Amino acid sequence: EAQVTQNPRYLITVTGKKLTVTCSQNMNHEYMSWYRQDPGLGLRQIYYSMNVEVTDKGDVPEGYKVSRKEKRNFPLILESPSPNQTSLYFCASSFRSGTEAFFGQGTRLTVV
Amino acid sequence: GDSVTQMEGPVTLSEEACLTINCTYTATGYPSLFWYVQYPGEGLQLLLKATKADDKGSNKGFEATYRKETTSFHLEKGSVQVSDSAVYFCALSDYNTNAGKSTFGDGTTLTVKP
Repeated sequence: EAQVTQNPRYLITVTGKKLTVTCSQNMNHEYMSWYRQDPGLGLRQIYYSMNVEVTDKGDVPEGYKVSRKEKRNFPLILESPSPNQTSLYFCASSFRSGTEAFFGQGTRLTVV
Repeated sequence: GDSVTQMEGPVTLSEEACLTINCTYTATGYPSLFWYVQYPGEGLQLLLKATKADDKGSNKGFEATYRKETTSFHLEKGSVQVSDSAVYFCALSDYNTNAGKSTFGDGTTLTVKP
């Protein structure tokens, strides 16, 4: 089954404790992206990757890192999480930029 | 930069009522336009899309037409069902002008009552 898999689905952590949210797709898509969803703000793009080893900032990249060492994986790293990063996070992949996006189930992160 | 403005919600309708959710966009190039739907507790999934002016996307009784002259992509359905209750997002992406960037509206929550 074609899918985008995020882990974990739920995470509660403390300020400053590094964490990684994993994202994997099995569709051989070139393009992957991370978003955060906040009430009243819709979806905002954090980082995206056009292909392996090619990443770039979206609209709200501060406090986040990403890497794309393999085509299927695109982890989101929070080196020192802060409470304002409490949000619902989505990973998505597409055949290429500009085409239909397939989304993961989401990761609800709470930073206390 | 590119932007998407969606009709503010929430929207509450009775079953079998007509639905219109307005979406207008600002873009420097000629983007592809999308409507995504998010059911409770789930990720977004594509509802329909249009890639050029005057294209009409349709799926599950929903329709939207890419109107370049009014920079709009309004979502319509003639008769909504309770199962259509969800959050709807309008989005654009332009590979040629702004490769990699995707812009979403704020989302419109639709509740359909029996």
